[in-house]
Amino acid sequence: QKEVEQDPGPLSVPEGAIVSLNCTYSNSAFQYFMWYRQYSRKGPELLMYTYSSGNKEDGRFTAQVDKSSKYISLFIRDSQPSDSATYLCAMSATGTASKLTFGTGTRLQVTL
Amino acid sequence: DVKVTQSSRYLVKRTGEKVFLECVQDMDHENMFWYRQDPGLGLRLIYFSYDVKMKEKGDIPEGYSVSREKKERFSLILESASTNQTSMYLCASSLGRGISLRELFFGEGSRLTVL
Repeated sequence: QKEVEQDPGPLSVPEGAIVSLNCTYSNSAFQYFMWYRQYSRKGPELLMYTYSSGNKEDGRFTAQVDKSSKYISLFIRDSQPSDSATYLCAMSATGTASKLTFGTGTRLQVTL
Repeated sequence: DVKVTQSSRYLVKRTGEKVFLECVQDMDHENMFWYRQDPGLGLRLIYFSYDVKMKEKGDIPEGYSVSREKKERFSLILESASTNQTSMYLCASSLGRGISLRELFFGEGSRLTVL
């Protein structure tokens, strides 16, 4: 079983829809939770991060962490065609030697 | 803006060849990383480095080596390329510790095909 599980999609939604992207994990030591966005033929870029549990909002994006369920989510409101990309969750424990463990990514397509 | 530059976007090599992938970052970041990205497997860490001349094995170091002689440059070496090393290779850098350690800035990737 992988440490981080993520539905690969593809997920296709109409413009303006609310999108929910999710990851589950098994390592209870994870404290840093991050979402990276990767456009086609580009490297990933950090979108949002949370430390420990709770919610974080940035414009149309909201990240949620539920450590009791080992479940994280990224919500995108009023989705735009420019949001079409692959979204990767990533997590790590604390400590300088702790590496990021990535999910496999969910491909999102926002259609006009 | 942080810029991470990978020397080659596309490479085609033959089995047994020695392959060098070069990565340069321009923001004085301490930490540098090499990942490979494969469909269905996501990003997997090959090697990373927290400082010049330091290197640490990641999750899949077999068949690879690295070199970090200068702070801004991190090279990935395939001593004898094999077909199962056909992949997208991504270099990344980050600053410091804590959350900064985990805020990775990626290059655009090098797609390697080994025939």
